[in-house]
Amino acid sequence: DAGVIQSPRHEVTEMGQEVTLRCKPISGHDYLFWYRQTMMRGLELLIYFNNNVPIDDSGMPEDRFSAKMPNASFSTLKIQPSEPRDSAVYFCASSTEISPGQGRTNEKLFFGSGTQLSVL
Amino acid sequence: RKEVEQDPGPFNVPEGATVAFNCTYSNSASQSFFWYRQDCRKEPKLLMSVYSSGNEDGRFTAQLNRASQYISLLIRDSKLSDSATYLCVVNKKSSASKIIFGSGTRLSIRP
Repeated sequence: DAGVIQSPRHEVTEMGQEVTLRCKPISGHDYLFWYRQTMMRGLELLIYFNNNVPIDDSGMPEDRFSAKMPNASFSTLKIQPSEPRDSAVYFCASSTEISPGQGRTNEKLFFGSGTQLSVL
Repeated sequence: RKEVEQDPGPFNVPEGATVAFNCTYSNSASQSFFWYRQDCRKEPKLLMSVYSSGNEDGRFTAQLNRASQYISLLIRDSKLSDSATYLCVVNKKSSASKIIFGSGTRLSIRP
């Protein structure tokens, strides 16, 4: 299994430009999460999907951020326009969950390698 | 108040020492608990789940105290390779999962 694949690994852009981050989850996983990590704020949940449907986007900082999951194997996080304070590492993660009737659930998150975003 | 709080450290201990981290969570409805490990410039990876009865995996022991709403991680006989940031993770489930990470505790093991 290739694991969660994110692209690009690094992105350097100028303020005001549009940035698109991409994620391919592990095949068969029905949850997909977007996180942002900075030194000051740690790992913040931005949005997550279940079966391609956005479930909770309360962590999305503002309207400049949007995320889509057009199918089970692909998701994007877009920032338009980008600002210097958006500089961070953006992680995508996927998981699957054993149904509650089977006892202990297993919500192990598999993370991609992250995208290091620098907005100048 | 943050939903999941951890002492940021850093903890700097000698090889072979025992070290313990605590983590508190604010939502009593939280149902699942985990410890993740993150190496410098890498993605977080699951270290172990935390069950009410407590659980052990080699040199690592995790405990959950629901009454006090805290989770602990104990590392015995620490190795240089244990140097990393340890993230406390809570799944606050209501109608759906919401997995929240603490800010992490940095651990540095010195020879």
